[in-house]
Amino acid sequence: TQLLEQSPQFLSIQEGENLTVYCNSSSVFSSLQWYRQEPGEGPVLLVTVVTGGEVKKLKRLTFQFGDARKDSSLHITAAQPGDTGLYLCAGDTGNQFYFGTGTSLTVIP
Amino acid sequence: AAGVIQSPRHLIKEKRETATLKCYPIPRHDTVYWYQQGPGQDPQFLISFYEKMQSDKGSIPDRFSAQQFSDYHSELNMSSLELGDSALYFCASSQWRGRARNEQFFGPGTRLTVL
Repeated sequence: TQLLEQSPQFLSIQEGENLTVYCNSSSVFSSLQWYRQEPGEGPVLLVTVVTGGEVKKLKRLTFQFGDARKDSSLHITAAQPGDTGLYLCAGDTGNQFYFGTGTSLTVIP
Repeated sequence: AAGVIQSPRHLIKEKRETATLKCYPIPRHDTVYWYQQGPGQDPQFLISFYEKMQSDKGSIPDRFSAQQFSDYHSELNMSSLELGDSALYFCASSQWRGRARNEQFFGPGTRLTVL
């Protein structure tokens, strides 16, 4: 079983649309990271959230950490083809680092 | 800014051969992590080192071993390679601060193909 479940697993949208990716767990995390990965490349860190209820914005991307530090969401506004990629959440329980199941996003021009 | 360096980027081996993957962390990072990522899968944690000592162990097979050296670079040694070992192997580094891990920065990966 996966400690972190992401939804949806696959998402295909038109350019300009908005979307939200969810990362859920029953475990509490001391911090949670979001990464974006291109095929054959290493995950690139987008953001780290550490405080329950924290909201961070990175241009058109908005990240939120749940109040109980068990879940997180990534919202993209006005998606662009350059946003296409695999989005991974990853949580640190203090003992180990766990990746989510991943969300593959395709933005169609 | 300096990033995590991995070598080689691509490696092709035969079954039952051995392979050594190298990872050079970001300067001043003291923690190194190894991950294995199969096609269409999320990265699976293998093992990590902090200050040259093993800190956590994940799903690393007994045929694999790793170590971190005095200059903080790390090597993943893989023996008796199997077809199922074909995957992308990522190294990540971070800087341990107090009791909390810092975020991990990933290298470009080594693509291992076992024939």
